[in-house]
Amino acid sequence: GESVGLHLPTLSVQEGDNSIINCAYSNSASDYFIWYKQESGKGPQFIIDIRSNMDKRQGQRVTVLLNKTVKHLSLQIAATQPGDSAVYFCAVLGGNSGYSTLTFGKGTMLLVSP
Amino acid sequence: DVKVTQSSRYLVKRTGEKVFLECVQDMDHENMFWYRQDPGLGLRLIYFSYDVKMKEKGDIPEGYSVSREKKERFSLILESASTNQTSMYLCASSSVAGGLYNEQFFGPGTRLTVL
Repeated sequence: GESVGLHLPTLSVQEGDNSIINCAYSNSASDYFIWYKQESGKGPQFIIDIRSNMDKRQGQRVTVLLNKTVKHLSLQIAATQPGDSAVYFCAVLGGNSGYSTLTFGKGTMLLVSP
Repeated sequence: DVKVTQSSRYLVKRTGEKVFLECVQDMDHENMFWYRQDPGLGLRLIYFSYDVKMKEKGDIPEGYSVSREKKERFSLILESASTNQTSMYLCASSSVAGGLYNEQFFGPGTRLTVL
């Protein structure tokens, strides 16, 4: 089955800094990865995804990097803003049930101070 | 705007009660999911459904059951609630269009407390 590891439970940054949130996965056959953002009191919200045929994908102020060699995924947020404060989860396609479900990491709480 | 709604934001029940958590999506999605979220453990999949009347166990199905009588509605049932089922419950849905690579859309969650 798949397992998704957390590198850091909490990350504190200053407004304007770049933030990097990391994630590791166990199954080298995994081929789809998603980052979610969860604000306090809300459900997770999709940020960006990447397929295994890519190493990098960019969105608005966010970049996801995929290193398949070491099974590592990262989310980079440029010019971090107070509104970016939330818990960030990576999710990997390929659950333990035998179907193609998502396995989630434990999340990193990003704290942005002004 | 796509929407997944859950019947309650907060729920308090007593040990041994039967509890129903309802989820409705308006996106005509085939797939629906129930997760529980606990501090330090992230999201864990309880049950999911790929079609009406179809259900599959996730990673932690013990103590739970589900019902999907209509495409838009997926219910999570706690037959006899216990204190260790106190948690945040999240419902999600996704489409099968385009194959496997589809994001899941989440509801706001139901915070269940079992006393």
